[in-house]
Amino acid sequence: AQSVSQHNHHVILSEAASLELGCNYSYGGTVNLFWYVQYPGQHLQLLLKYFSGDPLVKGIKGFEAEFIKSKFSFNLRKPSVQWSDTAEYFCAVTSGSGNTGKLIFGQGTTLQVKP
Amino acid sequence: KAGVTQTPRYLIKTRGQQVTLSCSPISGHRSVSWYQQTPGQGLQFLFEYFSETQRNKGNFPGRFSGRQFSNSRSEMNVSTLELGDSALYLCASSLDSGPDTQYFGPGTRLTVL
Repeated sequence: AQSVSQHNHHVILSEAASLELGCNYSYGGTVNLFWYVQYPGQHLQLLLKYFSGDPLVKGIKGFEAEFIKSKFSFNLRKPSVQWSDTAEYFCAVTSGSGNTGKLIFGQGTTLQVKP
Repeated sequence: KAGVTQTPRYLIKTRGQQVTLSCSPISGHRSVSWYQQTPGQGLQFLFEYFSETQRNKGNFPGRFSGRQFSNSRSEMNVSTLELGDSALYLCASSLDSGPDTQYFGPGTRLTVL
């Protein structure tokens, strides 16, 4: 069965520090990869996604992620975090190139940015 | 465009009761998926509906069911509620045109006493 693993459960950073959140998935076929963010009191929002093409994808608010197929990874990065980035981050995957109605999520990473 | 809406936003029920949650997808979206979010288990897929048919199903007991109407609105029902059903239930919709993005609603917070 597919699974997604996020290595960091709780990350604490100071403002302006760089961020990298790890995400690995287990599935050998075609995958579609997502990072979602859940700000306190708000609903899940899409940060970025990868379907095909350039493995380096850019999302909203200065976030980017790199798909490394050989490592089954899709790590999220941001060069300089802000206090407003405090949130929970979820990596997710769907399989196949057609119907993608079933997202498999990682356990989530809580990011706390200290001002 | 209006986002995904879910009603009600909060529910309190007692063990043994049943509950129905509603989801209205983004206009034009044909696929609706449901997820359960809990602190212990995280986000888990319940099921997906497309064209009034269940297309994908997660690993939940039969007490959890759903349906989709011709206007793509969806409901999910949980019968014989258990304490462990307390969770945030999220609905997401997508266009369903190949690999696609799911857009999430605010969720319904269910508390079972």
